[in-house]
Amino acid sequence: DTGVSQDPRHKITKRGQNVTFRCDPISEHNRLYWYRQTLGQGPEFLTYFQNEAQLEKSRLLSDRFSAERPKGSFSTLEIQRTEQGDSAMYLCASSWTGVNEKLFFGSGTQLSVL
Amino acid sequence: AQKITQTQPGMFVQEKEAVTLDCTYDTSDPSYGLFWYKQPSSGEMIFLIYQGSYDQQNATEGRYSLNFQKARKSANLVISASQLGDSAMYFCAMISLSSNTGKLIFGQGTTLQVKP
Repeated sequence: DTGVSQDPRHKITKRGQNVTFRCDPISEHNRLYWYRQTLGQGPEFLTYFQNEAQLEKSRLLSDRFSAERPKGSFSTLEIQRTEQGDSAMYLCASSWTGVNEKLFFGSGTQLSVL
Repeated sequence: AQKITQTQPGMFVQEKEAVTLDCTYDTSDPSYGLFWYKQPSSGEMIFLIYQGSYDQQNATEGRYSLNFQKARKSANLVISASQLGDSAMYFCAMISLSSNTGKLIFGQGTTLQVKP
């Protein structure tokens, strides 16, 4: 059973460095979502793809953030010039378009910016 | 705009007892869905239960049931016969079925601790 997988699980970086996270969704799912979750809060929507098209981006996604899903399969989320405020859990989820769009989540990438 | 409110930051329940986690929501959307997810310390969000706004009956999934009161805009989660493994963070979330984005809006979460 292959669920949503994210890599790496943990990332520690210094302020100003660039980081990239990868998400592999469930293979038959056409939608892929990125969320950010800070300690003690619920996840906040960042962006989503339907196949390879990025259809919506949150205002939370500053120009230092970029996400891609080049072939409609895996996705990457890159943060350039990281800041301490970027420290959070980055969650990826996937779903199949339908009436009841249950999102399946990965275990997340925990980012710590020192 | 859509909003989910969970007013209980933390809850305790004795093992084998039932517990209710509160969730209220606000939306002008005529068609929406409500979810509950469980997040253990490992970080993964685990789907528990779903309720559509037009569903006539309250949803149930094993020990989980959703007490849906549309007029009050509440969607409380009831966990029966609590187990130690139920200790986790619980999130209520809403989706707009009209917008067709599949985007979930989450509440702040409730931490549940089950006592032996």
